[in-house]
Amino acid sequence: KAGVTQTPRYLIKTRGQQVTLSCSPISGHRSVSWYQQTPGQGLQFLFEYFSETQRNKGNFPGRFSGRQFSNSRSEMNVSTLELGDSALYLCASSLSRTGVGYNEQFFGPGTRLTVL
Amino acid sequence: GENVEQHPSTLSVQEGDSAVIKCTYSDSASNYFPWYKQELGKGPQLIIDIRSNVGEKKDQRIAVTLNKTAKHFSLHITETQPEDSAVYFCAASKGGSARQLTFGSGTQLTVLP
Repeated sequence: KAGVTQTPRYLIKTRGQQVTLSCSPISGHRSVSWYQQTPGQGLQFLFEYFSETQRNKGNFPGRFSGRQFSNSRSEMNVSTLELGDSALYLCASSLSRTGVGYNEQFFGPGTRLTVL
Repeated sequence: GENVEQHPSTLSVQEGDSAVIKCTYSDSASNYFPWYKQELGKGPQLIIDIRSNVGEKKDQRIAVTLNKTAKHFSLHITETQPEDSAVYFCAASKGGSARQLTFGSGTQLTVLP
């Protein structure tokens, strides 16, 4: 079974631009969460989507948004990029939000975003 | 909110020795504690997890222990091998509507041949 895939793997943008990152969860997984990883702040939760609805949101500004499609694929968008947005953005998928295995989250390889 | 502290930040061991990484959490409502291994250029890989109704879990050379009273949990790796070298993260979550993982700051494990 294929793992979580994220595209693109690397991205370079300049301040003020916006960016869209994509995540395809493991086949059959319906929940997708996004995390930001930086050397200074570590791994921080951005938001979770399930059944095309945002279920949970971390402490990030409104410039960070996301969505989920009917096939469970998810995108996250960052508008008006700042230098501090440079990070590894990780997507994690879970089977569901309830029932057996609902806790386990499996991560993709991430998208490395550099803001110049 | 939940806060997870992880120690040590770096750990060097000789091949064949054991490695122990410790984490403490603040929210007594947390009930799920996974450990992830992250190699350079890759995303975190789930290696073992434990739920709050279990005190210990083992999978070959890896074991995790949980002390709910003290709110701490530990990762034990025995007979370490060079391929165990990586950054290890502990995490905690409450499940339900608050399923997001709160991560520790990571431990860089180096296994010396």
